Amino acid sequence: EAQVTQNPRYLITVTGKKLTVTCSQNMNHEYMSWYRQDPGLGLRQIYYSMNVEVTDKGDVPEGYKVSRKEKRNFPLILESPSPNQTSLYFCASTINFEGSEQFFGPGTRLTVL
Amino acid sequence: GDSVTQMEGPVTLSEEAFLTINCTYTATGYPSLFWYVQYPGEGLQLLLKATKADDKGSNKGFEATYRKETTSFHLEKGSVQVSDSAVYFCALSESAGGYNKLIFGAGTRLAVHP
Repeated sequence: EAQVTQNPRYLITVTGKKLTVTCSQNMNHEYMSWYRQDPGLGLRQIYYSMNVEVTDKGDVPEGYKVSRKEKRNFPLILESPSPNQTSLYFCASTINFEGSEQFFGPGTRLTVL
Repeated sequence: GDSVTQMEGPVTLSEEAFLTINCTYTATGYPSLFWYVQYPGEGLQLLLKATKADDKGSNKGFEATYRKETTSFHLEKGSVQVSDSAVYFCALSESAGGYNKLIFGAGTRLAVHP
């Protein structure tokens, strides 16, 4: 089954404690991205990657890092989380042709105390 | 930059009622337009899309037509079911740095009651 998986699904942590949210896709897509979803704001792109070792900032990259060492994996790293990063996070992958669908993971709900 | 505006929710309807969720956009080019749906506890799924003016996307009884003259992509369904209860996002595709990222509206929550 074609899918994007994320772990963990739920996470409660404290300010400053480094964390990583994993993302993996089995569709051999070159393009992957991370979004955060906040009430009234829809989803906003954090970072994206066009291939292994190729990453770039999206619209809200502050406080986040990513890496793309393998095609299937695209982890999101919060090195020093703060309460304003409390949000619902989605990983997505796509073949990236104009009009192509983006496939989303199930989401990770993060709470930073 | 490009943006998407969609009607605020929540929208509450009775089963078999007609649904319209308005969506308008601003864009410098001619983007592809999408409706994604998010069921409770799940990620987003593509509902339908249109890639050029006057195209009509349709799926599961939902329809939306790409109207360039009014920069709109309104979602409609003739008879909603309880199972349609979800959050609906209108989005456009914007090319940025070689990546066709999605610009989303704020989302509209739909609740359908029996």
